[in-house]
Amino acid sequence: GEDVEQSLFLSVREGDSSVINCTYTDSSSTYLYWYKQEPGAGLQLLTYIFSNMDMKQDQRLTVLLNKKDKHLSLRIADTQTGDSAIYFCAERSGGYNKLIFGAGTRLAVHP
Amino acid sequence: DTGVSQDPRHKITKRGQNVTFRCDPISEHNRLYWYRQTLGQGPEFLTYFQNEAQLEKSRLLSDRFSAERPKGSFSTLEIQRTEQGDSAMYLCASSTPGLAGAYEQFFGPGTRLTVL
Repeated sequence: GEDVEQSLFLSVREGDSSVINCTYTDSSSTYLYWYKQEPGAGLQLLTYIFSNMDMKQDQRLTVLLNKKDKHLSLRIADTQTGDSAIYFCAERSGGYNKLIFGAGTRLAVHP
Repeated sequence: DTGVSQDPRHKITKRGQNVTFRCDPISEHNRLYWYRQTLGQGPEFLTYFQNEAQLEKSRLLSDRFSAERPKGSFSTLEIQRTEQGDSAMYLCASSTPGLAGAYEQFFGPGTRLTVL
């Protein structure tokens, strides 16, 4: 079945890099996405990667995809307090492209 | 503001009452999705529209739930005879194929439902 798993919590020091990990089960997923959710706010699309790529960089964000292991990671360089939020990994599934989300990783950035 | 909008943002109701939520997608987006998010969890897919046609429904969508998109623009989600287990954030998202076929989904702020 379809399932996406993430670690629940990550704490980093301001200025360090953060790495948020995700595993998924649907090997036919063509796109994988990262969303950010701040308290009281909706989901913000951060970035996505096509399954035939193994890396995508977008400013401070780097996405790594290991399709063999069905492992996805999001690296945030120079993490700032404004990056504190819940980060969701999602895989696209089925003919109508619905998203299957993980439970989210809460990132806490401390001075 | 050209993003996805949802109304109301908050709804408190008593068990057994009916509620209706509205979603206005980004204007040129023909695909519309409803998701439900409970505390501490990621969003779960409920249903999908392409233009006015409802093409997929999750088994989470019981008989008490109905969704419409009558003219292929805004959508409504109605819950009849609400139960306390319906308390959640209801999220709407819209998309188009995009340049690379990524079908990026853009989410609204959600409607938080509390059933007393």
